[in-house]
Amino acid sequence: DSGVTQTPKHLITATGQRVTLRCSPRSGDLSVYWYQQSLDQGLQFLIQYYNGEERAKGNILERFSAQQFPDLHSELNLSSLELGDSALYFCASSLGTPGTGELFFGEGSRLTVL
Amino acid sequence: GENVEQHPSTLSVQEGDSAVIKCTYSDSASNYFPWYKQELGKRPQLIIDIRSNVGEKKDQRIAVTLNKTAKHFSLHITETQPEDSAVYFCAASIAGANSKLTFGKGITLSVRP
Repeated sequence: DSGVTQTPKHLITATGQRVTLRCSPRSGDLSVYWYQQSLDQGLQFLIQYYNGEERAKGNILERFSAQQFPDLHSELNLSSLELGDSALYFCASSLGTPGTGELFFGEGSRLTVL
Repeated sequence: GENVEQHPSTLSVQEGDSAVIKCTYSDSASNYFPWYKQELGKRPQLIIDIRSNVGEKKDQRIAVTLNKTAKHFSLHITETQPEDSAVYFCAASIAGANSKLTFGKGITLSVRP
């Protein structure tokens, strides 16, 4: 158990819908990261927050948004869903920023868009 | 931005043999290079990392080497075991507040018993 909690574990929805993925970081970790894992695409970086502030952004679609709340949990909102958004979405947390230590990944939220 | 590439995409070795997985990166300013292992259906987990001020680091059966001039780093696994079968991701970043950790696409290692 990494200490990072992601909900829901599985989600099936239809095209055009909107979903929210939730992440609770390890106790004490200030950084939260979101990654998308599709078949043969590895771990695609979406966005990173540090202590409530957005710090780095990857190839995140405009239909996607995220935020980190004062209690440090984070939510990833995916809207106008398309078939290609089906993927495993990982949240990770770390005490500091990238390069300062290990990222601890949650178990992931598997999104299926039908 | 940083681009991390891994080759080959799959690797199969006999149990007991050594495995070497190579990665290249594009940004010469990158100074932190971790390796993550993802077993089937599980989350990625850090197995070893190296910083740019070190050329090699070992931890039991695994080691990582870094060549900053050529901008590549490699994961070495000796005396491979079936439980080493997994997807291995290399990554690179510049340590700092606004940096991001960029992962390669992963290499699937299969260890044949």
